[in-house]
Amino acid sequence: DAGITQSPRHKVTETGTPVTLRCHQTENHRYMYWYRQDPGHGLRLIHYSYGVKDTDKGEVSDGYSVSRSKTEDFLLTLESATSSQTSVYFCAISESGPGQGYSNQPQHFGDGTRLSIL
Amino acid sequence: RKEVEQDPGPFNVPEGATVAFNCTYSNSASQSFFWYRQDCRKEPKLLMSVYSSGNEDGRFTAQLNRASQYISLLIRDSKLSDSATYLCVVMNAGGTSYGKLTFGQGTILTVHP
Repeated sequence: DAGITQSPRHKVTETGTPVTLRCHQTENHRYMYWYRQDPGHGLRLIHYSYGVKDTDKGEVSDGYSVSRSKTEDFLLTLESATSSQTSVYFCAISESGPGQGYSNQPQHFGDGTRLSIL
Repeated sequence: RKEVEQDPGPFNVPEGATVAFNCTYSNSASQSFFWYRQDCRKEPKLLMSVYSSGNEDGRFTAQLNRASQYISLLIRDSKLSDSATYLCVVMNAGGTSYGKLTFGQGTILTVHP
């Protein structure tokens, strides 16, 4: 299995509170991604990173911010959580990715974080 | 039209059966294709990449038809352990979405004794 660790694995919090999810990799891959998975929608990209301090938005980025201060860590922050952000969040990594001349490397996923916002 | 469409199933088959899933994609410029498997309450895991000439990995065969814009996954001699959701995944090509993955909603397979 790819060396990806997500924390926390489960979290329950209240509307309006800040939440930070962490993704840590030991593969030294350049690209890291945050997805959410909801019934009826499949996996949707929130944000991704293509290097330290280099990030870009995905299709559902509103209400989320990210940071990558080290190659191995990618943080997802909900500044003020809302009930619509209740979801399962997956981190993924890949050696190559968006914007490169060739991008046929698949992504590998962490175990996921189940986030419930009441 | 969704970018990647799959029959959600569920497919219920007996052990030993052969089952096939299809997936269609809308972007004719898409370059790379994958099948992932996701067990209940687990992360998606790469099952296999899909190559233009078709490829096989044990009991699993993947096919790509670029003209009709669909990919397929064939599972032979189904095992109980094959029960899972199978995700069709397409890598986007062109513009700012280049290299990003688009996931189908998945096809549920249940293999019973």
